[in-house]
Amino acid sequence: GNSVTQMEGPVTLSEEAFLTINCTYTATGYPSLFWYVQYPGEGLQLLLKATKADDKGSNKGFEATYRKETTSFHLEKGSVQVSDSAVYFCALRSSGGSYIPTFGRGTSLIVHP
Amino acid sequence: SAVISQKPSRDICQRGTSLTIQCQVDSQVTMMFWYRQQPGQSLTLIATANQGSEATYESGFVIDKFPISRPNLTFSTLTVSNMSPEDSSIYLCSVDGTSYDEQFFGPGTRLTVL
Repeated sequence: GNSVTQMEGPVTLSEEAFLTINCTYTATGYPSLFWYVQYPGEGLQLLLKATKADDKGSNKGFEATYRKETTSFHLEKGSVQVSDSAVYFCALRSSGGSYIPTFGRGTSLIVHP
Repeated sequence: SAVISQKPSRDICQRGTSLTIQCQVDSQVTMMFWYRQQPGQSLTLIATANQGSEATYESGFVIDKFPISRPNLTFSTLTVSNMSPEDSSIYLCSVDGTSYDEQFFGPGTRLTVL
């Protein structure tokens, strides 16, 4: 079956530091990959996505590249802000099987001034 | 994009009671999804609700415990029945986007069972 593995949190950084949150996956078919963000007290919002190998998704300074050879979709940002403090979920949706999305456990990011 | 609202936003309930959570979408959608998010855990899909048919439940979830209604293309309810403290979670409503791969989520209902 499909699965998504994210690095454990919390990740604690100072403002303007570089961020990487690792995500690897296993899936049947050719999945689409997503990063969702959940700010405190809110539901999940789509942050970025990539639908095929070597695609790069980007939004709000965040980037992630779909790496089929390493089955990874790591989230990066060059300079984090306090307002980026949230929980980040990696997810996939497989084209070859169930339409039901698979989510990782989420990684909490805390950015200090 | 779809805008989704949920009611209530939070509640504190007594063991053995039931709570109905409402989900309203600002556009017509075919499928609506109900998730549970337990503290520190990922999202777990409870069921998928199509208008005009019975909801489809995932393994570990049953209709008697989580009855779902889907009376029209913009609205759904999830009831958490005979609650116990283990039901304390955030319950999220979700719909597919127009590209059918990304999802839109409601703000969630934070339930605490004493």
